[in-house]
This record gives sequence, structure tokens and C-alpha cells, in this order.
Amino acid sequence: EAGVVQSPRYKIIEKKQPVAFWCNPISGHNTLYWYLQNLGQGPELLIRYENEEAVDDSQLPKDRFSAERLKGVDSTLKIQPAELGDSAVYLCASSSSRQESGANVLTFGAGSRLTVL
Amino acid sequence: GQQVMQIPQYQHVQEGEDFTTYCNSSTTLSNIQWYKQRPGGHPVFLIQLVKSGEVKKQKRLTFQFGEAKKNSSLHITATQTTDVGTYFCAGHGDSNYQLIWGAGTKLIIKP
Repeated sequence: EAGVVQSPRYKIIEKKQPVAFWCNPISGHNTLYWYLQNLGQGPELLIRYENEEAVDDSQLPKDRFSAERLKGVDSTLKIQPAELGDSAVYLCASSSSRQESGANVLTFGAGSRLTVL
Repeated sequence: GQQVMQIPQYQHVQEGEDFTTYCNSSTTLSNIQWYKQRPGGHPVFLIQLVKSGEVKKQKRLTFQFGEAKKNSSLHITATQTTDVGTYFCAGHGDSNYQLIWGAGTKLIIKP
């Protein structure tokens, strides 16, 4: 099993530039999450998808952030334009209501580290 | 809103000493999960507790879920260098999909 795959692993951009992150969840996982993690802090939920529907995007700064999960499989998270404060690690995770380890246990990808200069 | 407080923020121990982190929720949780994040890595699931008063063990790690399902602890016996990292608790509150994260406890082994 490939696990949750994210790309790119690292991205350095100048402020006001756009950036996009991609995530491919574990096969069969219908729930997909995008989290933001600042250094020394816990993950903060940006958006959660159930299949292709965004069911919790209350913490997503919609003026500059957007996300999509076409066909209910892989997902992209976009920031346009990026600001200095957006520098962080963007984590994607997936889960299923039917897992041997327990319902709704999250499997995280390696993350995409964004640096905005 | 629902919150999960986790303490301490950091714990420095000598290798071989024990380590404990505590989580306390403002409301009853339906379950609690524990994750470990190694330096430079991503959170990795350790265990999930569901029942009131539940205790589970994984080798040197002991996880407890309080009787009121509002608090939980992780205890590591005789820490090793491989235990270094940040331990997060995360609980499901009213909604089985809304996962509320603690701020994490960083385990540091003194040189």
C-alpha cells in the first residue's frame, strides 16, 4: 500500500505568487483532510471532504485558499496569492469509516513544506 | 467550542526515565486517538481508545481513557532515544468526524 502521497515535498515562492499542493489518499478512503501545521504546534484543520463533498471548510481562509476533490479521489489545495504568514507544512490525511485500526483513524502524508519569501 | 488541553508542552528526561503526557477535554469525547510525530516527520497513529476507563498497552507505552471520557494519558516506561518526538492526543467530540487536537507534548532526551 502506497500510503497518502503528497507533492511537492518542498516549495519556496515569493509572496503574492500562487502555489498548489496535491494529495492522493489511500485507496478506498472516502474522507480526505487538509491540515496546516506551524512549527511546534499541532495540526489545524483547513478542510474535510467526504468523497467529493467539502463537509467542513469553516477554517479555510476562502479569500485566498481553495481546494477541490474532483471524482472523490485525489485533491488539490491552492493558495493565491500567498502571504508570508502562509509559511507552514500542509498535511493531507485520509481515513475510512471502515478500518481495521478503528473508524476515522487518520493516515497522514509526508506533508508539503511551504516557504514564502 | 470543544477544546482538548494537553500538558506538559515539553518534557526533558534522561534516557531510561519515564514520561507521561496528559489530555483533558472540556466535554465528553466519544473516543480518543494518540499520534506520534518524529522530528521532521508527520503524525503517525498509535492507538484509539473508545471505552470508559479503557487501558491499552503497546510494549513500554500505556494509554488510559478516563472514566468520564474527558481525559486521557500516555505513559512511556524507561524511555529510549527512539521515543523522541511529539505526542498528540486527538478526540472526537459531538461529531464522529470532528477531531479535536491537543497541542502536543514534546519528549526530549537529555544528552
